[in-house]
Amino acid sequence: QQQVKQSPQSLIVQKGGISIINCAYENTAFDYFPWYQQFPGKGPALLIAIRPDVSEKKEGRFTISFNKSAKQFSLHIMDSQPGDSATYFCAASGNFGNEKLTFGTGTRLTIIP
Amino acid sequence: GAVVSQHPSWVICKSGTSVKIECRSLDFQATTMFWYRQFPKQSLMLMATSNEGSKATYEQGVEKDKFLINHASLTLSTLTVTSAHPEDSSFYICSARGADDTQYFGPGTRLTVL
Repeated sequence: QQQVKQSPQSLIVQKGGISIINCAYENTAFDYFPWYQQFPGKGPALLIAIRPDVSEKKEGRFTISFNKSAKQFSLHIMDSQPGDSATYFCAASGNFGNEKLTFGTGTRLTIIP
Repeated sequence: GAVVSQHPSWVICKSGTSVKIECRSLDFQATTMFWYRQFPKQSLMLMATSNEGSKATYEQGVEKDKFLINHASLTLSTLTVTSAHPEDSSFYICSARGADDTQYFGPGTRLTVL
């Protein structure tokens, strides 16, 4: 019940296209859903996060869509750029982020020219 | 703001020796810090939760006597890998929880045990 399932494992998108990564969770106590971006040999960096009181949150080219009834959330990267090539992790936590994070398995995104 | 540093960024040691890794929150105080390890092409695995002034809480399967965690101040937590062996070689990452409950991650420490 603590798992967060992430797909796809890897993704190749053409420059300028939309990258979409999906996550699903089972624990209904989760109420904080962040996305992290990680470059090789570096620590993860917070991209964007959402709480279940909204269905969508947008920050620049990054958008989180959240479906509470389906227990799913996704990251959309608009106008994808080669610099977006990285590994992306979704995560979930309870108590509004005050509990430990449960991470997805990661998606390796490659943006090709 | 919300910068977390780790030292060293990489370390190579001989089997049987101990290695200490420091995690610092540079511009904020963190009552809670977390330690993760990450194997190549895998996700982050939480090892322990560290609260300032109290004993760390270890995840199931993590040996507390092997991975010693100390959180002596609101800006510093240390992880000591005792009697390191080649199977302990990994990428160790810490995070610190900010006042907004966001976890800010350090840049990681690459440990190689020969």
